[in-house]
Amino acid sequence: DAGITQSPRYKITETGRQVTLMCHQTWSHSYMFWYRQDLGHGLRLIYYSAAADITDKGEVPDGYVVSRSKTENFPLTLESATRSQTSVYFCASGTMDNEQFFGPGTRLTVL
Amino acid sequence: AQSVTQPDIHITVSEGASLELRCNYSYGATPYLFWYVQSPGQGLQLLLKYFSGDTLVQGIKGFEAEFKRSQSSFNLRKPSVHWSDAAEYFCAVLPYGQNFVFGPGTRLSVLP
Repeated sequence: DAGITQSPRYKITETGRQVTLMCHQTWSHSYMFWYRQDLGHGLRLIYYSAAADITDKGEVPDGYVVSRSKTENFPLTLESATRSQTSVYFCASGTMDNEQFFGPGTRLTVL
Repeated sequence: AQSVTQPDIHITVSEGASLELRCNYSYGATPYLFWYVQSPGQGLQLLLKYFSGDTLVQGIKGFEAEFKRSQSSFNLRKPSVHWSDAAEYFCAVLPYGQNFVFGPGTRLSVLP
């Protein structure tokens, strides 16, 4: 089915471990985005990508790494997870001047 | 500073009552404007968007929003709320040449 999927949906990890959150879209949208959602902050942009092999920082990029070797995939890696990275992470795809389509989210807990 | 505000953190209405959720933005030029809804445990779904033209915009699920340039506002309305409308609502703006900026959200509770 066409759409945007995220995996895993839930993840518990420990401080210092590396974690990768996956995002896959089937619309061939050029743009993809990673947000984190925290109570009282709404959604904050972590990284975005305008096309394969083109990525750029958003509002809160520290502690995160992204890559985009294929248009349809946009993984987000926490190289050394910290408790402050406990959050719900949303991937989205779309165009730069139009709506974004959101995945179901990944709830990450860092112990 | 450039920002998007949603003054109401939590609103409770009775089923069948009317609803208005407020959104204000502070940008030099009018950005593109959006309202998204997030049901518990779900991603965000677009309700409606405003780019230009008619300032009253119709969306899905019976929602509408009115753009008021003089007030830098884009308030969301629904004439009669249903229990299934209970969710978190996010206003978002897309300033020219920039990324999306989301408001902090308003949680809507619906009383039977």
